[in-house]
Amino acid sequence: SQKIEQNSEALNIQEGKTATLTCNYTNYSPAYLQWYRQDPGRGPVFLLLIRENEKEKRKERLKVTFDTTLKQSLFHITASQPADSATYLCALDGIIFGKGTRLHILP
Amino acid sequence: EAQVTQNPRYLITVTGKKLTVTCSQNMNHEYMSWYRQDPGLGLRQIYYSMNVEVTDKGDVPEGYKVSRKEKRNFPLILESPSPNQTSLYFCASSQNNQPQHFGDGTRLSIL
Repeated sequence: SQKIEQNSEALNIQEGKTATLTCNYTNYSPAYLQWYRQDPGRGPVFLLLIRENEKEKRKERLKVTFDTTLKQSLFHITASQPADSATYLCALDGIIFGKGTRLHILP
Repeated sequence: EAQVTQNPRYLITVTGKKLTVTCSQNMNHEYMSWYRQDPGLGLRQIYYSMNVEVTDKGDVPEGYKVSRKEKRNFPLILESPSPNQTSLYFCASSQNNQPQHFGDGTRLSIL
């Protein structure tokens, strides 16, 4: 069956640095991959979508890459801020979700 | 304001007592779905609906029922809740493979 993994449960990054989160998958070929942000007590909120024929997508300080050969997506937050602290989820075709990575940006 | 509204937000109940969690969206979306989120397991899809009167099982449908009589509403029914259904539940909606809009969740505790 398909499997999706996000590289770490939690990640601590110093403010101002770039945070990089990883999403790997197996036994599946998604048409697109999405990244969501989830704050405590709230539902996930959509951030970015990247399609299988796209290598990279950017939105302000966010960048997503998608390597269908490696079956991997990387999510980058540049110039990170404490307000970026949250759990980030990746999702294959919008319906198969990873467990999420809790990101802490340390002031 | 575009939103997905779930009720109740919190519920503590007992084993076997039927309950319904309502979900309503105001965006005229065709696709709606229910997820449960558990520590260490992430978000898992329970049921989804492509349109009115069309529903399908997700990954973990056992013990749940849904209905889609109107486009805006997609209630989740637990006919005989059990403690293993204690979880955080999310309803979501979307249109034409667009990103999903999630509600703020319903925390259910089944004693």
